[in-house]
Order: sequence, then C-alpha cells, then structure tokens
Amino acid sequence: KNQVEQSPQSLIILEGKNCTLQCNYTVSPFSNLRWYKQDTGRGPVSLTIMTFSENTKSNGRYTATLDADTKQSSLHITASQLSDSASYICVVSRLSNDYKLSFGAGTTVTVRA
Amino acid sequence: NAGVTQTPKFRVLKTGQSMTLLCAQDMNHEYMYWYRQDPGMGLRLIHYSVGEGTTAKGEVPDGYNVSRLKKQNFLLGLESAAPSQTSVYFCAVYGQGSHEQYFGPGTRLTVT
Repeated sequence: KNQVEQSPQSLIILEGKNCTLQCNYTVSPFSNLRWYKQDTGRGPVSLTIMTFSENTKSNGRYTATLDADTKQSSLHITASQLSDSASYICVVSRLSNDYKLSFGAGTTVTVRA
Repeated sequence: NAGVTQTPKFRVLKTGQSMTLLCAQDMNHEYMYWYRQDPGMGLRLIHYSVGEGTTAKGEVPDGYNVSRLKKQNFLLGLESAAPSQTSVYFCAVYGQGSHEQYFGPGTRLTVT
C-alpha cells in the first residue's frame, strides 16, 4: 500500500478560481514533505518543502499546509492560471541517511479558460 | 531541472534488447537516484547511489543494473528489455544543503 495518498485524482477548474489538493501520508519517522509540479513531458519541479515544525509555506500563488499530527497536507492554488495545468505530486521524506522519498500518484489539474 | 541531463530522451526497444540510460549532473552532489513513472502510480525508486563507486537497490530493482564510476554520472542498464519496462525514467540528484531533489527531463522508453 502506498504510504502517500493524494486526492482527488484529477480536477478541472476555471481560470481565476481557487482549488485545494489533499495529501495523506503514513511515512514514519517523518523528515519533510514536499509538493512538486510536473508539467506534461517534463520532470517534477519543487514548489514547497516543509519540515515537522512548519505548518504553512507559500510560493507565489501556491500555499502548502502541513498537519504533522494528523499526517495531512494540502496545496492551495489561488487565482489559477492556464499555466497551472499540470500534475501536482506530494512527496514525503523519511528520516534516514539515504534521503529516499515516497511519492504520491499525483493530482492532475486542468485549468480551462 | 537545471544541472541534470538524461540521454536519450526517447527510445524504442524490442523485447530482449539491451540499452543504457545516462544521467549526468554538474551540481557536484553525492546522492543520485533512478525512478520510473507509470500511469496512475507515484514515482518508484529503482536504484540509487550515495557516492562515487556505490550503488544500492530501491523499491523495484529487478531487471535493472546501475553503475556510478564517476561522481557526475549514474548509468541505468537494461540487460534484456521486457514490455513491463515500458515507462518514463527519471534521474534525480539530492542536494544536501538545499534538501531538494532535482529531477532530469526524463527518458521515455517503449519495449515492444
């Protein structure tokens, strides 16, 4: 069973609207949680990274939250743009010496004009 | 994706053929990783390396071999390709200072 679950699997929103993506994880011991954006045909690119003590982090119109007690995270996209159409991947790092990551399957966001 | 390159970008193989994927980095980082990405699934770790001359198995290592003879290069080999190895392969580099994993652009492999 995957240790990182994301929802929804996909969503469609109109340009200018907001949306929120969810991530639940069971990875332990926890080190940090990242959100990546992956455009079609490209490699993932980091949006935010949060450690145990951080509960929110922003990167422009992207705001990530983390509740380490309930092992949940969300990514909020504000005032969506067509360029936000991509897959958003939640990634959790376990506290270890090899820095291996556990990946969610991603949420595919489609922004329509 | 700056600093991490992958060769080739696309490849079609017949079952049983062999090939090597090359990942190169100019970031001078120790940790390098090979992943595969399949529809509906998260990226899965194939093999990784914590430094020149070292390699280790990841989550799905069967059918693949790797080598890290030089710090800047991490090679992924398929000795006898199978249709189940049709996938998109990503190389990544971990920056200990930034705690970031930087991904290459990917290699799309089709095995017929």
